[in-house]
Amino acid sequence: DVKVTQSSRYLVKRTGEKVFLECVQDMDHENMFWYRQDPGLGLRLIYFSYDVKMKEKGDIPEGYSVSREKKERFSLILESASTNQTSMYLCASSRRGVGYTFGSGTRLTVV
Amino acid sequence: AQRVTQPEKLLSVFKGAPVELKCNYSYSGSPELFWYVQYSRQRLQLLLRHISRESIKGFTADLNKGETSFHLKKPFAQEEDSAMYYCALFNSGGSNYKLTFGKGTLLTVNP
Repeated sequence: DVKVTQSSRYLVKRTGEKVFLECVQDMDHENMFWYRQDPGLGLRLIYFSYDVKMKEKGDIPEGYSVSREKKERFSLILESASTNQTSMYLCASSRRGVGYTFGSGTRLTVV
Repeated sequence: AQRVTQPEKLLSVFKGAPVELKCNYSYSGSPELFWYVQYSRQRLQLLLRHISRESIKGFTADLNKGETSFHLKKPFAQEEDSAMYYCALFNSGGSNYKLTFGKGTLLTVNP
């Protein structure tokens, strides 16, 4: 079974803090993705990466950055957390042309 | 631009009734469509993909290119089918490996 592991299930941070969300996959997938999931808005793509050190903006990259130094790890960074970034964050990975495998999600609350 | 539309945010049926979750897409190329499901407190997981033409948990979905639809159907709904369902569109050509998701339909199957 492909495993995508997100380091935290729940996270509470203060406004203005720098926040790191970590995601690790164990199946040597080329592609990794960060989405946020909000009621009524579905899944919206923040950033994705198709190779080590490669990244592309998704539909809502503002306020976020990413890092992929190793193939198995894809980090989402909130440079200065704001309350409108309170959300469920989902990481996914895929091999080219194959459906995604998702992590369990990190529910981030910014207070 | 590719787009996925799920017109119903909420769908409620009784156990044993037929269920159809609607999905329409817009895309100029050759689409690859998926249905993903998220049960309560579980990770998002692949339910089925159109190219495999399989039935999973009694669900089927047929790609209708003329109507640009990929509706999910089940003849007799079960209570355990209650979940959030997302339709997703994948560009299977070129270098774009992104999945575009609809906003989701929350299905409730009542006893």
